[in-house]
Amino acid sequence: DAGITQSPRHKVTETGTPVTLRCHQTENHRYMYWYRQDPGHGLRLIHYSYGVKDTDKGEVSDGYSVSRSKTEDFLLTLESATSSQTSVYFCAISAVWDGGEGQPQHFGDGTRLSIL
Amino acid sequence: GNSVTQMEGPVTLSEEAFLTINCTYTATGYPSLFWYVQYPGEGLQLLLKATKADDKGSNKGFEATYRKETTSFHLEKGSVQVSDSAVYFCALKGNTPLVFGKGTRLSVIA
Repeated sequence: DAGITQSPRHKVTETGTPVTLRCHQTENHRYMYWYRQDPGHGLRLIHYSYGVKDTDKGEVSDGYSVSRSKTEDFLLTLESATSSQTSVYFCAISAVWDGGEGQPQHFGDGTRLSIL
Repeated sequence: GNSVTQMEGPVTLSEEAFLTINCTYTATGYPSLFWYVQYPGEGLQLLLKATKADDKGSNKGFEATYRKETTSFHLEKGSVQVSDSAVYFCALKGNTPLVFGKGTRLSVIA
């Protein structure tokens, strides 16, 4: 299994509080991704990174920010959490960008976040 | 843009039944296609992949063929087991990050 650790695995917090989720990898992969999974929506991309300090927005980036100061860590921050951000969050990594090579993305076990 | 459409579930089958989960895609260029599986309480695991037209991906008795003419990548298994109960996601990757379908929940009953 790819070495991906997400922390925390579960978190309950209140509306308006800041929340930071961490993704740590031991594979030295260049690309890292944050997704959220919601019933009826599948997985939707929030942000991704293509290198240290290089990030870009995904499909559902509003209300989220990310940072990547080291190859191995990719942080997702909810500056002021809202109930609509209650979800399961997955981190993923990949060695290459070009899907033509068939290189898959590998996923962490997820963080279940509840915002009350 | 790139998109994936897969059949909605849930799908309930008896053990040893034949499984088909339909997946069609829209993409520019020549994407790679994937099926991921998510068991209860776990993350996504790669099940199989195909990188070009007419390629067949296979794993654990599952298979899917990359059909460019019908833009499809249907997942099949000849005889399902209770342990196959999970959510299955079709996905594609080209010059953009991985794009997923909404997932199909499969329940297999003994």
